[in-house]
Amino acid sequence: GAGVSQSPSNKVTEKGKDVELRCDPISGHTALYWYRQSLGQGLEFLIYFQGNSAPDKSGLPSDRFSAERTGGSVSTLTIQRTQQEDSAVYLCASSLPYRPEAFFGQGTRLTVV
Amino acid sequence: DQQVKQNSPSLSVQEGRISILNCDYTNSMFDYFLWYKKYPAEGPTFLISISSIKDKNEDGRFTVFLNKSAKHLSLHIVPSQPGDSAVYFCAASVRNQGGKLIFGQGTELSVKP
Repeated sequence: GAGVSQSPSNKVTEKGKDVELRCDPISGHTALYWYRQSLGQGLEFLIYFQGNSAPDKSGLPSDRFSAERTGGSVSTLTIQRTQQEDSAVYLCASSLPYRPEAFFGQGTRLTVV
Repeated sequence: DQQVKQNSPSLSVQEGRISILNCDYTNSMFDYFLWYKKYPAEGPTFLISISSIKDKNEDGRFTVFLNKSAKHLSLHIVPSQPGDSAVYFCAASVRNQGGKLIFGQGTELSVKP
């Protein structure tokens, strides 16, 4: 596709369950980011992949959060044992090598009930 | 530690007038700055950027000003249009450290007809 694609667009899960969020970046973009936006808040950095370098995981809020990027393309963000405070819109973005201008997907709205 | 700050959560402007959105940063290593615009239920879209070697960049109705000594940047929109109503985020990066984007909290702009 032409843009960053995220799935699902909406996810409702029960507290304590695990969830996986998927991101398909723009073809040729070597950098991939995950951010989240909680209600009324700004964009909180979670994790950053740049090519084959070790990912920058400094924004992950707890060890319940993890992310993978397979084959330098698709990324999956996994949240284990979800809590109500995990409810937010999770945004994925990608960019060309060492170009700061990142392009965002539509986001996945996660609701933990 | 909020490295990028947008201290005004909201701004209301009359159509045709100038909108000025402000952003402050604390990390003197930042060397590239960006503005993004976000409509509800959509991902942020890139608007305009500026390198730290410049103090002004203009694109149509949008101009970004950078004051490095004050660690301050601003986005001017002239003339403002109702379609400009959105949340505006500033972001900063250190390009030689991989370009990870750090975002401010956002300012909600409302342009009244």
